[in-house]
Amino acid sequence: EAAVTQSPRNKVAVTGGKVTLSCNQTNNHNNMYWYRQDTGHGLRLIHYSYGAGSTEKGDIPDGYKASRPSQENFSLILELATPSQTSVYFCASGDALGGRYEQYFGPGTRLTVL
Amino acid sequence: GDQVEQSPSALSLHEGTGSALRCNFTTTMRAVQWFRKNSRGSLINLFYLASGTKENGRLKSAFDSKERYSTLHIRDAQLEDSGTYFCAAGPLLSGSFNKLTFGAGTRLAVCP
Repeated sequence: EAAVTQSPRNKVAVTGGKVTLSCNQTNNHNNMYWYRQDTGHGLRLIHYSYGAGSTEKGDIPDGYKASRPSQENFSLILELATPSQTSVYFCASGDALGGRYEQYFGPGTRLTVL
Repeated sequence: GDQVEQSPSALSLHEGTGSALRCNFTTTMRAVQWFRKNSRGSLINLFYLASGTKENGRLKSAFDSKERYSTLHIRDAQLEDSGTYFCAAGPLLSGSFNKLTFGAGTRLAVCP
């Protein structure tokens, strides 16, 4: 079973502050992803990574940066947090080994920006 | 862009009954995943299908890439089945990267 952990699990930030959400996976997957999920909507892709040192923009990257310093770790950075970024953030990892494209999700981080 | 239409948006079931959730895709997808978001907010992997059907306990899922849909059947619903169910799928021609597009979710409430 894939193991993806996220920290913190809950975060309250002030408008204009910097927020860093961390994700760690122990499955040696190449691909990692950051999504946000808002009430009444499915998850939407913010950034993703193919491996250490790579970051790519997803569907809604504005206001977010990402960092992949190692195979295991993938961070999402909000340099200037805004109330519109209040959401639940999910990290995921996955690979294409054997043609299986399954993604495994972390437990989520609930971010509130006041 | 790729769209995933999930229905119904909300569903109420009495314990012991069953129903089906459905996702329609606007393009050919190579695989589908189904998740349940539990009361703690975590996403639980239910199924991954590249084709055909899979069954796990009281849940059964089917995926037809050619006809562009997937279903999740729940039978003998229990209170602990309550939560929001999501389908997600990735397009066929996306190389080794799997860009999932999610449906908007189905909020299931199971009542005594």
